[in-house]
Amino acid sequence: NAGVTQTPKFRVLKTGQSMTLLCAQDMNHEYMYWYRQDPGMGLRLIHYSVGEGTTAKGEVPDGYNVSRLKKQNFLLGLESAAPSQTSVYFCASRPFSGELFFGEGSRLTVL
Amino acid sequence: LAKTTQPISMDSYEGQEVNITCSHNNIATNDYITWYQQFPSQGPRFIIQGYKTKVTNEVASLFIPADRKSSTLSLPRVSLSDTAVYYCLSGDSGAGSYQLTFGKGTKLSVIP
Repeated sequence: NAGVTQTPKFRVLKTGQSMTLLCAQDMNHEYMYWYRQDPGMGLRLIHYSVGEGTTAKGEVPDGYNVSRLKKQNFLLGLESAAPSQTSVYFCASRPFSGELFFGEGSRLTVL
Repeated sequence: LAKTTQPISMDSYEGQEVNITCSHNNIATNDYITWYQQFPSQGPRFIIQGYKTKVTNEVASLFIPADRKSSTLSLPRVSLSDTAVYYCLSGDSGAGSYQLTFGKGTKLSVIP
């Protein structure tokens, strides 16, 4: 039982490049979330999903897109990366009634 | 969105009890209060959750007054390994409030 797995764990991009972060959970959870955390800051919600095929915007959605084609996967895409998107990205999932389970994070640097 | 306010940082000596208070003035009727702990370079992990009065588990206690506008996380006899950032989160653990947002958290430093 791996829980919540994020790939890749580290990535360096140049400004304007695109990439996708993958979050996979094996707990059959309904809800999934993407957060970003900047140095010394709390977590800010980017997008979330309440079920397969549904997504919604969080606090800081600009510059990101998401998809949840399968219940177990939640993808976060950056179409044109900017230095301001340098951050650590955390994925989380939770069941219909319960607490959040987080992945180990993906550290992204945009040069 | 229900917002929470916590002290930015706290210091404590080993062996002392630590109480971290969170303010959530706009908490909704169905909202639970949940606390998470985060170590550097790791994702947050669940500590405790409650709706009202007192909840206790093997690592912490959570006190919630009758008006539910605040809550206090109590860590008994802290050790160096309790140095971390603690987040208070209010939201519905069931159907309803899906958008779970975090505050800035409280950085607890335990001193030998």
